[in-house]
This record gives sequence, C-alpha cells and structure tokens, in this order.
Amino acid sequence: DTGVSQDPRHKITKRGQNVTFRCDPISEHNRLYWYRQTLGQGPEFLTYFQNEAQLEKSRLLSDRFSAERPKGSFSTLEIQRTEQGDSAMYLCASSQMEGRGEKLFFGSGTQLSVL
Amino acid sequence: AQKITQTQPGMFVQEKEAVTLDCTYDTSDQSYGLFWYKQPSSGEMIFLIYQGSYDEQNATEGRYSLNFQKARKSANLVISASQLGDSAMYFCAMRDNTDKLIFGTGTRLQVFP
Repeated sequence: DTGVSQDPRHKITKRGQNVTFRCDPISEHNRLYWYRQTLGQGPEFLTYFQNEAQLEKSRLLSDRFSAERPKGSFSTLEIQRTEQGDSAMYLCASSQMEGRGEKLFFGSGTQLSVL
Repeated sequence: AQKITQTQPGMFVQEKEAVTLDCTYDTSDQSYGLFWYKQPSSGEMIFLIYQGSYDEQNATEGRYSLNFQKARKSANLVISASQLGDSAMYFCAMRDNTDKLIFGTGTRLQVFP
C-alpha cells in the first residue's frame, strides 16, 4: 500500500502563471477528491471524481480551476492565471465508495505560493 | 445546510492525561457519518475514528473514543493517556447525503511533559 501521492510538494509561481498539480490515488480506490486548505482553516471541498467522471464541483471553484482524471487513475488540478488568493495547500484524497462510512485517505498536499 | 463547529482553537494537556476535543454538527439528514482526522505539522491528514448516525455504541479505536450525543448533535473526541506525539491539529468532519466530507476549523492540541 503506497498511499496517496502528490506532486510537487511545493510550488512557487508568479501571479498570472498557470500551474498543474498531480495526484496518484491508492490503486484500488475509485473515488478521488481535491480539497484546498488555507492557514488556520479546515480543508475545503473543491471537486471529486468517481472513476473518470467528475461528479461535483464546488461553487467556490472559479472557471480558472479545472481538474481531470482521464483514465480513472491519477488526477491533475490546473489553475490558470494564478492570483495571490490561490495560495494554499491543495490536498488530494482517495477512497473506496462505501456509503456514509467511506474513509478518505489523504496525500501530503501541494503547497502553492503565488507571488 | 450541513455545518461542523469546533469552538476550541487550542487545547493544552499534560502527557498521560485525557483530553476532550469538542465538535458539534448540523444536518437535516437522518443518515450521516462523523469523522475525526489528525493533521501533524507534516501536513498529511490521518484518519482516526468514525461514527455512524445509527450506531448505538460510541466508536473506539485504541486511545481514541468518540462521545456521540445525537440529540445534542455533538461528536466529541476523547484521547486517553496523551502522548507527546499527539500534538497536532485535529479536525472533525461529517458526510451526509451530499456525499462529500465537510470539515470544521480544527483544534490545535499541544501535549506537554
């Protein structure tokens, strides 16, 4: 069991640049989630996939954000034209669908700093 | 709308003592799940314990137990025999029929010798 892997661990970019993060879930997990966490706050839901289908996207997610999971395995989260307010930890989690008790397993996150 | 409230920004506890971290929730669903996660300084969220809304017994996992009071909509985490390695952020979370986990703002626990 290799756990959820996220790459890169840290990303520093200039305002206006595009960035892309990658998440590799636990291999047998069919659900993959993206969360954002700012300092002093709990993780905030962004979007999730069941296999390759994106089932829900938060209303808080602007059109600059897009996520894909093309073959139902790894996922990418792209932020276009980054803004300073995008600075946060981006967490990926995966799970096996099992109703209310479904446990999410998280990666170590990608820390984004927009200068 | 579903909501998780953690009113303790920070807690201190002496090593080997027990500590309770508070969590209240709000949902109109009858079927829901409650979770606690630990986030050390490394950043990774670690699952600790789960309680289903229909579970009659309070959940326990080693030194962790969940004090579930359904009528009061509270799901407090009790850590017994605290260890220095328990120092971390602790998040309460809930899943109802929206099918995603919603987190509270967290409590920072510091264990001192």
